[in-house]
Amino acid sequence: GENVEQHPSTLSVQEGDSAVIKCTYSDSASNYFPWYKQELGKRPQIIIDIRSNVGEKKDQRIAVTLNKTAKHFSLHITETQPEDSAVYFCAPRGSNYQLIWGAGTKLIIKP
Amino acid sequence: DADVTQTPRNRITKTGKRIMLECSQTKGHDRMYWYRQDPGLGLQLIYYSFDVKDINKGEISDGYSVSRQAQAKFSLSLESAIPNQTALYFCATSDSGTGLRDTQYFGPGTRLTVL
Repeated sequence: GENVEQHPSTLSVQEGDSAVIKCTYSDSASNYFPWYKQELGKRPQIIIDIRSNVGEKKDQRIAVTLNKTAKHFSLHITETQPEDSAVYFCAPRGSNYQLIWGAGTKLIIKP
Repeated sequence: DADVTQTPRNRITKTGKRIMLECSQTKGHDRMYWYRQDPGLGLQLIYYSFDVKDINKGEISDGYSVSRQAQAKFSLSLESAIPNQTALYFCATSDSGTGLRDTQYFGPGTRLTVL
């Protein structure tokens, strides 16, 4: 089946610094690449997504970049704030049209 | 998202009991999903439904069954609960008819403990 890996599993950054999380997938037919944020005790919520016809998408402090050749996409968060502390999941859509979820990256923002 | 609700929010049961988790949505979406989340892991798809007459198994369907009673309602049943089904269960919806068709919206989750 499709394999999805996220790195790192835990990321600790100083408030105000940038954070980057990488997601590697195996299904070359994948063409939709979302990132979800899950705060402690809450439900996952989508924060940004990208389709295979573009290489980068930005929404204020958040951006996603896609490298289809290398089969990876990354989440970039700039000027991190305490409210960015959460677990972030990548979930590329597989060839069966279902989202395949990574194991998550715990982002810790240090004051 | 307040448009997707799950009942109950918490449930403690014993091994061998039959349990039903319910999901309702007012978003008007046609697609619905059931996921399981274990501590420190991502979400695993149990079942999904693209419309009332379309039910499909996900990656971990063994020990579970579902019913799509209406477009707005999707129930998950554990016929005979076992301790390793202790987990957080999420329902999600998506809309096939819009540009956001791949975006999934989640309910608040049901925490199930099987003793």
